[in-house]
Amino acid sequence: GESVGLHLPTLSVQEGDNSIINCAYSNSASDYFIWYKQESGKGPQFIIDIRSNMDKRQGQRVTVLLNKTVKHLSLQIAATQPGDSAVYFCAAPWGGYQKVTFGTGTKLQVIP
Amino acid sequence: GAGVSQSPSNKVTEKGKDVELRCDPISGHTALYWYRQRLGQGLEFLIYFQGNSAPDKSGLPSDRFSAERTGESVSTLTIQRTQQEDSAVYLCASSLSDYLTDTQYFGPGTRLTVL
Repeated sequence: GESVGLHLPTLSVQEGDNSIINCAYSNSASDYFIWYKQESGKGPQFIIDIRSNMDKRQGQRVTVLLNKTVKHLSLQIAATQPGDSAVYFCAAPWGGYQKVTFGTGTKLQVIP
Repeated sequence: GAGVSQSPSNKVTEKGKDVELRCDPISGHTALYWYRQRLGQGLEFLIYFQGNSAPDKSGLPSDRFSAERTGESVSTLTIQRTQQEDSAVYLCASSLSDYLTDTQYFGPGTRLTVL
């Protein structure tokens, strides 16, 4: 299966600054990646996804960048807000469908 | 509309007891997944159901774990003879189908504590 991992377990950012959360993956055949946000006491929530034929995808205040050469993806959050405080997971489906392998996660702490 | 619901939200049990966890997927979603999340860890795939096909049980950690789903509705995850290492949050997710890019919607989870 896929192996995904996060570079930093905890990230603290000042409110209003931009946040960058990184993730590495091991399977070069992976062609689809997802970022999830998990708030305390809740299940993960889909944020944004990207196919391997793309380098960048933008959503509302979030951007995902994919570097297939080094098997790395990142999630950028613009103008980070207190409501962005959560654990963020990158994930990659494998097994031909949505059997998803999740990384350990990065905890984002927003400092007011 | 209603999201994925799970019950109970919390379950405390004694070692050796059996527990049953329930998941109600979003209506119309044919795919249903169970995951386990240990404290401070990522999600660990357990089992997957798609329609009336045979489930993918490849993630179940031992034969003490089993799951059932009736058609495209409720699923139950059963853990027999619980052990302390079974303590975790058990998350259920459903998606419209098992197409690669169908979004998985997660329930709030059941926190299981085995004493």
